[in-house]
Amino acid sequence: GAGVSQSPSNKVTEKGKDVELRCDPISGHTALYWYRQRLGQGLEFLIYFQGNSAPDKSGLPSDRFSAERTGESVSTLTIQRTQQEDSAVYLCASSLVATNPNYGYTFGSGTRLTVV
Amino acid sequence: AQSVTQLGSHVSVSEGALVLLRCNYSSSVPPYLFWYVQYPNQGLQLLLKYTSAATLVKGINGFEAEFKKSETSFHLTKPSAHMSDAAEYFCAVSDQGDSWGKLQFGAGTQVVVTP
Repeated sequence: GAGVSQSPSNKVTEKGKDVELRCDPISGHTALYWYRQRLGQGLEFLIYFQGNSAPDKSGLPSDRFSAERTGESVSTLTIQRTQQEDSAVYLCASSLVATNPNYGYTFGSGTRLTVV
Repeated sequence: AQSVTQLGSHVSVSEGALVLLRCNYSSSVPPYLFWYVQYPNQGLQLLLKYTSAATLVKGINGFEAEFKKSETSFHLTKPSAHMSDAAEYFCAVSDQGDSWGKLQFGAGTQVVVTP
């Protein structure tokens, strides 16, 4: 596609439920990144993929969070047993080459998650 | 670990006046540095980046930033503010090398432009 697509754009869920957030990167982009943006704060790095493997998962806040990527394309971020502190905008970005910043990367518009 | 500090969570500037947004980073080696803008209900858009080339970096929409190693700073400027510059601005830093894509973001600066 022309840009990074994230779905759903908005998600309201009850505390304790599981949620899945989806990211469709730009076609051909090998690197994919997930960030979280809490209200009034900057972005926090969660995890990044190079192809289908995740060299760096250091930002995942707890074992309730997991992510996978298949076919060097779509990625899914799963949050189990959601808590109110998980409420945030979850942003995905993709880049053509993970090792060269001159290619930059493109962000999606994010999924706004609200846990009630 | 890298970190970045943006001085001022809110900045108000008159239309036509200088825009100056401050960013300082903590690193013992020169990192990569980025400025992003986020308009309401939109994704992040890259304004400019420093990747070890020229220290004065020009970006889109008339913005520029200067990397000053001695001051560990990467302040963003625009000579004359437009109403359309009202948005939130984020400074970000990353390490050189294979993990460059792991960006550490500042808390952001909300810019308000007054007529």
